[in-house]
Amino acid sequence: KNQVEQSPQSLIILEGKNCTLQCNYTVSPFSNLRWYKQDTGRGPVSLTIMTFSENTKSNGRYTATLDADTKQSSLHITASQLSDSASYICVVSGSAGINRKLIWGLGTSLAVNP
Amino acid sequence: GAGVSQTPSNKVTEKGKYVELRCDPISGHTALYWYRQSLGQGPEFLIYFQGTGAADDSGLPNDRFFAVRPEGSVSTLKIQRTERGDSAVYLCASSLNRFGSYEQYFGPGTRLTVT
Repeated sequence: KNQVEQSPQSLIILEGKNCTLQCNYTVSPFSNLRWYKQDTGRGPVSLTIMTFSENTKSNGRYTATLDADTKQSSLHITASQLSDSASYICVVSGSAGINRKLIWGLGTSLAVNP
Repeated sequence: GAGVSQTPSNKVTEKGKYVELRCDPISGHTALYWYRQSLGQGPEFLIYFQGTGAADDSGLPNDRFFAVRPEGSVSTLKIQRTERGDSAVYLCASSLNRFGSYEQYFGPGTRLTVT
């Protein structure tokens, strides 16, 4: 069964600190991996999309890595801000461009405290 | 605004009633998706429109759920004879869905509560 597993389930850090969120997947075939940020009461917002040929991609203070061989991805947040408090969801697509076949992780709930 | 909008933001209804949820996608986006998200879960795919047609409705849980997109823009998700288990946040997303341009943009969702 295709799965996307994320760790940790939740995380609390102090403002200004860095953190790294993990995503392991077993989806095959693999097309692309996405990281979304979802604020409470809001829809998910895309942070990065990576295909199998990309190892790293940055979006401001967010940097995602992908190892398609080990089927692992990480999302690194640098110099965290209070507004980074949200759920971060890893999503894997097994078919190119077919969004309805996305496999969603359960997310990591991040709380950034002052 | 330039984003996906959904109305209403909150809907409380009694068991057995009929509800309609509306989605206004980003102008020019041909693809539109409906998802359902329960607390602590990731979005669950319901239905996908390419233009006016439902290209994939395999995620609709049963025949009480129906969606339309008559002019290829605004879409309405319709739920008949609502049940308490239908309570969730209903998310809409749109995308260009051209090769290399399949990024999805989500609306804020409609929180449906069936009492």
